[in-house]
Amino acid sequence: GIQVEQSPPDLILQEGANSTLRCNFSDSVNNLQWFHQNPWGQLINLFYIPSGTKQNGRLSATTVATERYSLLYISSSQTTDSGVYFCAVDTGRRALTFGSGTRLQVQP
Amino acid sequence: DAGITQSPRHKVTETGTPVTLRCHQTENHRYMYWYRQDPGHGLRLIHYSYGVKDTDKGEVSDGYSVSRSKTEDFLLTLESATSSQTSVYFCAISQGEGSGNTIYFGEGSWLTVV
Repeated sequence: GIQVEQSPPDLILQEGANSTLRCNFSDSVNNLQWFHQNPWGQLINLFYIPSGTKQNGRLSATTVATERYSLLYISSSQTTDSGVYFCAVDTGRRALTFGSGTRLQVQP
Repeated sequence: DAGITQSPRHKVTETGTPVTLRCHQTENHRYMYWYRQDPGHGLRLIHYSYGVKDTDKGEVSDGYSVSRSKTEDFLLTLESATSSQTSVYFCAISQGEGSGNTIYFGEGSWLTVV
């Protein structure tokens, strides 16, 4: 099956810093989604981004499907950005395959 | 809010007992999913459904069964719970036809098998 690798596995930032999270996938995908899991366990869909770039406030994402990677940018990080960020890909098999996540800790 | 409710939210059960987790949605979505989340493994698909009485297995389906007799409810059953099934279980829905559409998760069910 498809392999989805996220990097870095862990990241510690000071409040106000910027960061880039990466998601590499081993095969062609139909779409890619980014999720944030907050410290209480809730999973929030951030982006549905099969290709191109999208922005939502301080967050933006870029997927380059031909090169099999996606990037999630977090600017001016806040403590509420802490948690785990997952990317997940769809290969046309009806369900998403998830990466193992990047754990982000933003310190005040 | 995609109108997804999971129950129970927390449960402790004994090895060998049956357990059923319920996922209820209010927006008539056809596709529903059950994932489990474990440290070091991320989220792994257990089963999914693409309509009433239409279900299929995911990558970690052994020891689990599902049923979908109504559009709004997707049940996950552990026939005889084992300690390896201690996990957090998430239900999800797709806004469209399959995973090619935005996926939304319920709040999770924490299951401990002792």
